[in-house]
Amino acid sequence: EIVLTQSPATLSLSPGERATLSCRASQSVSSYLAWYQQRPGQAPRLLIYDASDRATGIPARFSGSGSGTDFTLTISSLEPEDFALYYCQQHSDWPRYTFGQGTRLEIK
Amino acid sequence: QVQLQESGPGLVKPSETLFLTCTVSGGSVSSSSYYWGWIRQPPGKGLECIGFIYYDGSTHYNPSLKSRVTISVDTSENQFSLRLNSVTAADTAVYYCARDDRGFDSWGQGALVTVSS
Repeated sequence: EIVLTQSPATLSLSPGERATLSCRASQSVSSYLAWYQQRPGQAPRLLIYDASDRATGIPARFSGSGSGTDFTLTISSLEPEDFALYYCQQHSDWPRYTFGQGTRLEIK
Repeated sequence: QVQLQESGPGLVKPSETLFLTCTVSGGSVSSSSYYWGWIRQPPGKGLECIGFIYYDGSTHYNPSLKSRVTISVDTSENQFSLRLNSVTAADTAVYYCARDDRGFDSWGQGALVTVSS
């Protein structure tokens, strides 16, 4: 099983600041990595797939980068609605997809 | 735009069987372009993939749950279903159905299933 480790566990920032979230895989997943946002009481929402492609309707302030084992989700300028939980997920090891444990982005 | 909706009992007794159905609208489970999956999230915890089904009925399960899980598809009703046998309190979770397209691009709103006597 491919283990995904997200850091930091919690990130405290203010609106307008830049957020950088990390995801590290226990083995290479090539570029088969996705990022999700989950607000309280809601289902996750796909933000990024294939490491760097934005999903339909996702604002340009969200960007993804990386390949192999190290990946980053960047939010260029935080909006109030961006404070939520974020998960990475590898879609390389079919069908044994796995998720990271999540990063909580909270208002400072 | 495809929409998914989970349905089923919210309370299941220990050792019994959990059964959920996902109804798809605005899209077809008969499409050869996608897999359809089940994911769960215990309260306050992270996400776990349970398994997938393709329109032809082929299935793929998480090895940790494989002995207890069955996923099936009903193309006439545009639905797919999850059956989880011999449940325990550890199976208490929000269960989501989702479409897999290089990531889960569409999700149901989730169904909370509590295992308790």
